[in-house]
Amino acid sequence: ETGVTQSPTHLIKTRGQQVTLRCSSQSGHNTVSWYQQALGQGPQFIFQYYREEENGRGNFPPRFSGLQFPNYSSELNVNALELDDSALYLCASSPQGVDGYTFGSGTRLTVV
Amino acid sequence: GDSVTQMEGPVTLSEEAFLTINCTYTATGYPSLFWYVQYPGEGLQLLLKATKADDKGSNKGFEATYRKETTSFHLEKGSVQVSDSAVYFCALSEEKGAQKLVFGQGTRLTINP
Repeated sequence: ETGVTQSPTHLIKTRGQQVTLRCSSQSGHNTVSWYQQALGQGPQFIFQYYREEENGRGNFPPRFSGLQFPNYSSELNVNALELDDSALYLCASSPQGVDGYTFGSGTRLTVV
Repeated sequence: GDSVTQMEGPVTLSEEAFLTINCTYTATGYPSLFWYVQYPGEGLQLLLKATKADDKGSNKGFEATYRKETTSFHLEKGSVQVSDSAVYFCALSEEKGAQKLVFGQGTRLTINP
């Protein structure tokens, strides 16, 4: 098993810019979810993709968008970055129908 | 909506002490329950899970029992080690099968030698 790989590990962006974060799911996992973890908080669900379709979304504005590709890798895009978007972004994958996700190590985004 | 409430931290114990981290939940259906652990600078690792009432999840000496009557899923370990120092998150998934996770706020645990 290769696990869940996220890139980049860290990045710094300026308010108003756009960012793309990437995730390679664990082999055989067709469901991917993204979470935002602010400092000192629990992760908050952003959205989930199953077979390239979004099938669940948390309380995040439309400037948070995503894609899942045929190989089940995924992207998280955030437009018009705000200071409050500074957080650890976690990708998690799972086979459909199985309880419990495998998480990546995350991307630490700092917006200045 | 569904929610998870954890014991507030930080928690500091001596090595070989008994650990309990309390977790209670609110859910409309029959959720699955999880404990995740996060080591410094890393993502979350699944520690244990339970998918129905009275199930006991266990791993690496940690245990938690799904108590529907008290809506609780407390994490316990009989003898902690310095290497158990981490942040622990209780979570639920609203329905069976790869649904979104709702997390508690996390409990930071520090074990002193």
